[in-house]
Amino acid sequence: AQSVTQLDSHVSVSEGTPVLLRCNYSSSYSPSLFWYVQHPNKGLQLLLKYTSAATLVKGINGFEAEFKKSETSFHLTKPSAHMSDAAEYFCVAPDSNYQLIWGAGTKLIIKP
Amino acid sequence: NAGVMQNPRHLVRRRGQEARLRCSPMKGHSHVYWYRQLPEEGLKFMVYLQKENIIDESGMPKERFSAEFPKEGPSILRIQQVVRGDSAAYFCASSPTGGPVNTEAFFGQGTRLTVV
Repeated sequence: AQSVTQLDSHVSVSEGTPVLLRCNYSSSYSPSLFWYVQHPNKGLQLLLKYTSAATLVKGINGFEAEFKKSETSFHLTKPSAHMSDAAEYFCVAPDSNYQLIWGAGTKLIIKP
Repeated sequence: NAGVMQNPRHLVRRRGQEARLRCSPMKGHSHVYWYRQLPEEGLKFMVYLQKENIIDESGMPKERFSAEFPKEGPSILRIQQVVRGDSAAYFCASSPTGGPVNTEAFFGQGTRLTVV
C-alpha cells in the first residue's frame, strides 16, 4: 500500500531563514509526487509537481523540491522564509490514476 | 474562470440530521473527486465521479454517505443521520480529464461540517 510520511507536524523558522519540510513516500505506482499548500481558511493550492522529467522541481513562491529515489524522499525547501509562507503543507503521492494519498501535513510557523 | 466552488463553507447539523454539501467544478471539468479531512490528518479519498457516473466510491463509508454528479448542476455529497464523527472538512476537486496524476486537480475551499 502507498504511504506518505511527513516527518514533522510543525516546523518553526524565523523570517529570512531557510525552510525545510520533510517527506518520505512509498509508492509502487508511477513516481509522481506533489506538494500542496493550505492557507488558513483557504482552499488547497498546488505548490509543485514532480513527474520524472527532472529531479529538482521548482514551484510557486520560491519553493522547490528534490526527488531522491534512493532515499524515497521529496523534501520541500525555500531559501528564505516570508511571513506569508505561514500555512499547512501537504506532501501527496498517487495511489492510482486518480486517487491521491496525503501526508498528515506540516504546519509552517514563521517567527518575525 | 471561477475556481471550484463549494457551498456552504460552514455547516452545522445536529446529530441525526442530513447534511448536503455542494461542489461546482471548474468550467469545462467533468471529473470530480471528494476528500475528507479529519482534524490533524491529511485528506482521505472518498469518491470519484464523472457526469452521471460513480467511477470509484471505495473510500466512502458504506452507510449514510452518498454522492452524485448529475448531468446538470453541482456534485452533491449527502450524509444522512449525521453523527459527531462526521465532523470534518470535506474538499472537492475537479479536473478536465483523466485523474489528478496526469492533469492538475483544482481544489475548492472546502466545507467544514460540525455535528453538535
